[in-house]
Amino acid sequence: QVQLVQSGAEVKMPGASVKVSCKASGYTFTSYDIHWVRQATGQGLECMGWINPNSGNTGYAQKFQGRITMTRNTSISTASMELSSLRSEDTAVYYCARVTGSIAAAEYFDSWGQGTLITVSS
Amino acid sequence: SYELTQPPSVSVSPGQTASITCSGDKLGDKYASWYQQSPGQSPVLVIYQDGKRPSGIPERFSGSNSGNTATLTISGTQAMDEADYYCQAWDSRSHVVFGGGTKLTVL
Repeated sequence: QVQLVQSGAEVKMPGASVKVSCKASGYTFTSYDIHWVRQATGQGLECMGWINPNSGNTGYAQKFQGRITMTRNTSISTASMELSSLRSEDTAVYYCARVTGSIAAAEYFDSWGQGTLITVSS
Repeated sequence: SYELTQPPSVSVSPGQTASITCSGDKLGDKYASWYQQSPGQSPVLVIYQDGKRPSGIPERFSGSNSGNTATLTISGTQAMDEADYYCQAWDSRSHVVFGGGTKLTVL
């Protein structure tokens, strides 16, 4: 079955960087885009961007441009998201999610990672 | 930027029908998906492409999308359906957009 397993929770100082990984199994890693979505406590879902594991092409939400980097390692079926210059407002649960669907602009997230809590605090 | 608007909360009695709306400009011209999120859990897809149910999702979940509004309908609502629900679509620039979420209370 499709599984996305994320790295564990981390506590970071303001100004630091964090890298969250997402290991895929149960399907061909390079066949589906991976998106990263975050959720602050008590808040809604916020899209951060995506990566195409086959080409390595990425797309980032404007809000995160300049301090987010998404990468992938196809040899270990793992996508990663690095966020730099962390501030307290970045405290949230970060999810990776697989996008599927054969119709353009009709894709949907059919599998999600378990989430990774990133706490930014001095 | 494209926005999807959901009511913050909806209440329903057990066994009754719950309807959760999601509004956006000409949303009916796009495809809508819905996700259920229980406390402390990851979101789960319950409806995709307006009205299709993934395998394993009960038949009581259905969806529709027309005009400016997509609707998630839960028939015969059960206590286990109490959760947050999010709608999702893609804007004209191929960006993912989520609604703000609706807390469904079954009381």
